[in-house]
Amino acid sequence: DAGITQSPRHKVTETGTPVTLRCHQTENHRYMYWYRQDPGHGLRLIHYSYGVKDTDKGEVSDGYSVSRSKTEDFLLTLESATSSQTSVYFCATGAYRGETQYFGPGTRLLVL
Amino acid sequence: DQQVKQNSPSLSVQEGRISILNCDYTNSMFDYFLWYKKYPAEGPTFLISISSIKDKNEDGRFTVFLNKSAKHLSLHIVPSQPGDSAVYFCAASESMGNSGYSTLTFGKGTMLLVSP
Repeated sequence: DAGITQSPRHKVTETGTPVTLRCHQTENHRYMYWYRQDPGHGLRLIHYSYGVKDTDKGEVSDGYSVSRSKTEDFLLTLESATSSQTSVYFCATGAYRGETQYFGPGTRLLVL
Repeated sequence: DQQVKQNSPSLSVQEGRISILNCDYTNSMFDYFLWYKKYPAEGPTFLISISSIKDKNEDGRFTVFLNKSAKHLSLHIVPSQPGDSAVYFCAASESMGNSGYSTLTFGKGTMLLVSP
């Protein structure tokens, strides 16, 4: 499996505060993805990156921004967290878009 | 509009029997399909995939069948083991020509429970 780490693994924050989640990979994969998983919704794509400084929106991108300044790092930022953003966030990487992706362990975020 | 549907939220099977997990899709342009397994508090792990040029792909105890005319795929696990108890996600993408494939669209998942 690809070496993918996510930090933090758990976070509790308050409504209105900014939050940044980090994904780090050691596999030199071109593509990196951020998903959220919620009961009854499965995995939904927030944003993805197809190279350094190259990103695109996914299905549920409102309220989120991303940045990728290095191949190995992909950051997800909630500019002003809301309770609806309470979720489990997964980072994934892949060599090719739409093909096999490798997932990180997830970050559990609670917005109070 | 849900393009990948896993209509069974859960499935219970006895150890040693066959588990059949189903997935339907509505986008006829999807031509690459994957199954992922997810244990609690872990990230999903890739299980098996199939391209639309095939109708079957096997990997050990796992076989995926694709019925393009019915827009249906299924994952068969034989024999089922208690360690197979997990949530299984179906995912699909479509070829974009020289641009490769689209991003993956996931179903909502089916929780499989294999009892001893």
